[in-house]
Amino acid sequence: AQTVTQSQPEMSVQEAETVTLSCTYDTSESDYYLFWYKQPPSRQMILVIRQEAYKQQNATENRFSVNFQKAAKSFSLKISDSQLGDAAMYFCAYLKTSYDKVIFGPGTSLSVIP
Amino acid sequence: KAGVTQTPRYLIKTRGQQVTLSCSPISGHRSVSWYQQTPGQGLQFLFEYFSETQRNKGNFPGRFSGRQFSNSRSEMNVSTLELGDSALYLCASSFGLADYNEQFFGPGTRLTVL
Repeated sequence: AQTVTQSQPEMSVQEAETVTLSCTYDTSESDYYLFWYKQPPSRQMILVIRQEAYKQQNATENRFSVNFQKAAKSFSLKISDSQLGDAAMYFCAYLKTSYDKVIFGPGTSLSVIP
Repeated sequence: KAGVTQTPRYLIKTRGQQVTLSCSPISGHRSVSWYQQTPGQGLQFLFEYFSETQRNKGNFPGRFSGRQFSNSRSEMNVSTLELGDSALYLCASSFGLADYNEQFFGPGTRLTVL
């Protein structure tokens, strides 16, 4: 069965600095999707960034980028120029195929220090 | 365009009771997915409805059920509530089936079982 692991339950970063959140997953599939979701306190969860496993190029969305290491089954999220609004719970997620159910990691709580 | 709405936002029930939660998707969206979020188990997929049919189901007991109406609104029902059912229940909508690339989440319903 597929699993998603986020080994850092909590992290903190100084405002304007860069932080990297880790995610590893276990799968025997060769094609799949990976996501990072952000859940701010008392606010709705939103999709931050996604990666398709067949694409070698790492996805980037403004200050958010990923380091996708397929062989190592690693999918880390880098947040550059951290802002106070980045404080949230971040979930890494795996999806085997377009019509399967998504599997979430346990989450990493990110604090941003002004 | 209005976002995903969930009602009620907060609910307190006692063991053995049943509860119905409602989710109204974004206008035009045909898929509604439900998730359970707890501190211990994290975020887990419950089920997805598309065009009034359940298309995908997570590993939850039969006490958890749902349905979708012709206007795409969805309800989730939990019967014979247990203390462990206390959780934040999230729904998310998308236009297409299992379209995690364009999935929008609601604010959640916080269920407390006493």
